[in-house]
Amino acid sequence: EPEVTQTPSHQVTQMGQEVILRCVPISNHLYFYWYRQILGQKVEFLVSFYNNEISEKSEIFDDQFSVERPDGSNFTLKIRSTKLEDSAMYFCASRELPGELFFGEGSRLTVL
Amino acid sequence: AQSVTQLGSHVSVSEGALVLLRCNYSSSVPPYLFWYVQYPNQGLQLLLKYTTGATLVKGINGFEAEFKKSETSFHLTKPSAHMSDAAEYFCAVSSTGTASKLTFGTGTRLQVTL
Repeated sequence: EPEVTQTPSHQVTQMGQEVILRCVPISNHLYFYWYRQILGQKVEFLVSFYNNEISEKSEIFDDQFSVERPDGSNFTLKIRSTKLEDSAMYFCASRELPGELFFGEGSRLTVL
Repeated sequence: AQSVTQLGSHVSVSEGALVLLRCNYSSSVPPYLFWYVQYPNQGLQLLLKYTTGATLVKGINGFEAEFKKSETSFHLTKPSAHMSDAAEYFCAVSSTGTASKLTFGTGTRLQVTL
């Protein structure tokens, strides 16, 4: 069964460092998303991506964040200069049609 | 704008008892509604969804939910809880637009006791 895959599963980084989280969406999907979940809190929308551009982003998604689909299969989230409050589980998701999102297992980011 | 309210951040039931997790939504357009389950240290797994058609939808693991437009609700139920149902459950709503995102509720942690 097709699935969304994310790497790394866990990354520990120092505050101020750049982090890239990688995702391989399901191959025939056209819409891609990043969500995050701070420990113990709800899942929050960060950004959606369609046709090689951002279609919507939340207030959380400030200038420190960027997304890219560099090679037609990967979908990356970059955090330019990490802060302590960026520590969270980051979920990638994709879908083909309006409706159900398929989520990856998540990448846990710990900023020290 | 859309929003989801899940009443009760923690619900505890006995094994074999009815599970009822409440979800109310707000949407200015006809919604798509979802329930996701998250087991400890895992990702989000879709339990069931309502898009169009039958308002009572059945999902995996014996769960079902009923879309009630008049009450703006999409409560999740299961007739008989099992220990393996212990997890965090998230209700979510999206619009029917092509680029629509999911908006999640704050989640309900289900505890199942012997």
